[in-house]
Amino acid sequence: LAKTTQPISMDSYEGQEVNITCSHNNIATNDYITWYQQFPSQGPRFIIQGYKTKVTNEVASLFIPADRKSSTLSLPRVSLSDTAVYYCLVGDGGGSYIPTFGRGTSLIVHP
Amino acid sequence: ETGVTQSPTHLIKTRGQQVTLRCSSQSGHNTVSWYQQALGQGPQFIFQYYREEENGRGNFPPRFSGLQFPNYSSELNVNALELDDSALYLCASSLSIAEGNNEQFFGPGTRLTVL
Repeated sequence: LAKTTQPISMDSYEGQEVNITCSHNNIATNDYITWYQQFPSQGPRFIIQGYKTKVTNEVASLFIPADRKSSTLSLPRVSLSDTAVYYCLVGDGGGSYIPTFGRGTSLIVHP
Repeated sequence: ETGVTQSPTHLIKTRGQQVTLRCSSQSGHNTVSWYQQALGQGPQFIFQYYREEENGRGNFPPRFSGLQFPNYSSELNVNALELDDSALYLCASSLSIAEGNNEQFFGPGTRLTVL
């Protein structure tokens, strides 16, 4: 049973806001939600992590509803360089945590 | 502060051979995880080392083994290579194993091709 479900691909245009939603119906009480970005032939890069409500940093926002069964990564005013694969992970980060990446969402930003 | 480094960058082996991949973790990080990423797929967790002990393992056979050294650098060894082992192998380090700490720092990877 997959822990997370994301759209396989999304398209956007420069300057637009992009929202990528991840479903995690079986999230556990102690689980956090973490998003990574990966460019071709590079390792993934941590973007943002949250537990509930809203988290914002210099590159993105993460919205988590009260039931925590989904989350939305929001990228404001995307540019061509935001073209990448975005992964959503859930887990508690503790000793028994096994990170599960899934296939991610391939975002293509057009001029 | 030095980031995660991996060597070699690329490697070509033949079926049945053995390979050793190396990873230097980010300064101050005591936890190292290894992943295998096939083309078009997400990274698949192989195993994790915390303070020189294996701390968790994904669904990989025993011919995938590893080590972590006192300086927290790490090796991934794969014996009896198979064609399906061709992939990008990623190493990631993190500050510690702790609840809520899911942030990992990834290296650039080693591209392994098995012929």
